[in-house]
This record gives sequence, structure tokens and C-alpha cells, in this order.
Amino acid sequence: NAGVTQTPKFRVLKTGQSMTLLCAQDMNHEYMYWYRQDPGMGLRLIHYSVGEGTTAKGEVPDGYNVSRLKKQNFLLGLESAAPSQTSVYFCASRARDYTGTQYFGPGTRLLVL
Amino acid sequence: DAKTTQPTSMDCAEGRAANLPCNHSTISGNEYVYWYRQIHSQGPQYIIHGLKNNETNEMASLIITEDRKSSTLILPHATLRDTAVYYCIVRVDFGNEKLTFGTGTRLTIIP
Repeated sequence: NAGVTQTPKFRVLKTGQSMTLLCAQDMNHEYMYWYRQDPGMGLRLIHYSVGEGTTAKGEVPDGYNVSRLKKQNFLLGLESAAPSQTSVYFCASRARDYTGTQYFGPGTRLLVL
Repeated sequence: DAKTTQPTSMDCAEGRAANLPCNHSTISGNEYVYWYRQIHSQGPQYIIHGLKNNETNEMASLIITEDRKSSTLILPHATLRDTAVYYCIVRVDFGNEKLTFGTGTRLTIIP
């Protein structure tokens, strides 16, 4: 049981390049989330999904797109990377239960030059 | 979501109990209190949560005041591996998908 995994662990992009971050969970969770964390700050929610085929915007969605084609995977895309998107990205998932407990992946460090 | 206030940093001697306070004076009746921690830029780790009653699990205890306006996370026997940033979060359990992470408390365990 690997929990929540993220690939890649680290990536450097040039301004304007695109990339996709992959999040996978093997806990059969319904809900999945993408957060970003900037230095010295808390996490901010980018997008989330309450089930396969559904996505919704969080508090900082601009510049990002997401897809949830399979229940176990949640993809975060950057179509045209900007230096302001330099951050650490965390994926999380949770079951559809009363606890609301989210389980986080190890993070992806992204540097946009 | 109710906002939370936590001290910026705290120190605790190894082997002693670490008591981390959190104020959430605007909490609503259906909002839970959650605690997470983040060790050295790893992904946040769930610790414990509660609504009204005090809670205990293998990691920690959560004490919520009777008026629910504040709470305390207790790590009973702190070890060096407990050095981390601790986040107190208040949210409604259903229908609200946003966990609002503030800046948390940086807890340093002193050998």
C-alpha cells in the first residue's frame, strides 16, 4: 500500500513550457486535491475532484488545469509555465467518510526559470 | 471557515510533553478542529481531529475547551522526530473541500 505518490519529484521548466504532474493513490479514495506551497507559507488549494470525471476550482486555479479520468489518478497541468508557478506541489486524497481526513503525497518541487 | 491563531514558534525539551495552543474564536457549531504537521517540507501528515470532546490516538491528544473557542494539541513525550510545523485547521466536514492551512507553529524539540 503505497498511499499517495507523485511524479516527478523535481522538475525545472523554462517560461512558456508545459508539463503535467501525476498523482496516484491506491486507497480507493473518492476525493483528490492539488495544493501548492510557497516558501514560508501554508498550503493553498488549486483544484480538487470529488469523483472520477469531475473537477472543481480551489482558491488559486488560474494557470492550471486538471483531469480525473481514472479514480486513482489526478493530473495537474501547466499549459504555459510562469516563474510565479515556482512552488512545491502536493497532492492529497480522502475517502468519502465523516472524518474528512486528507492524506498527502511527498510533493513535487517545480522551478520555472 | 473559522480562522485560527497559533504561536509562530515554540521549543520543547526532548521527553517532555509539548502543548501547542490554537485559538479559533469564530468557530461554528458544525466545524471540526484538525491538526496536521509538516516535517521538513514533506507532505503534511494528519495527526488528530475533534468536534467537541477531547480525543486521543497513538500520536497525540486533543483538548477542546467547553466553548470550543480554543484547543490544545498535546504530544505526550516529544522526540527529536516531532520537530515540525504544526497546523491547526477548522473546517466543516461535509460540502467544504478546502483545508485552509495557515502558517502554523514551528515546534523545535531540544535535546
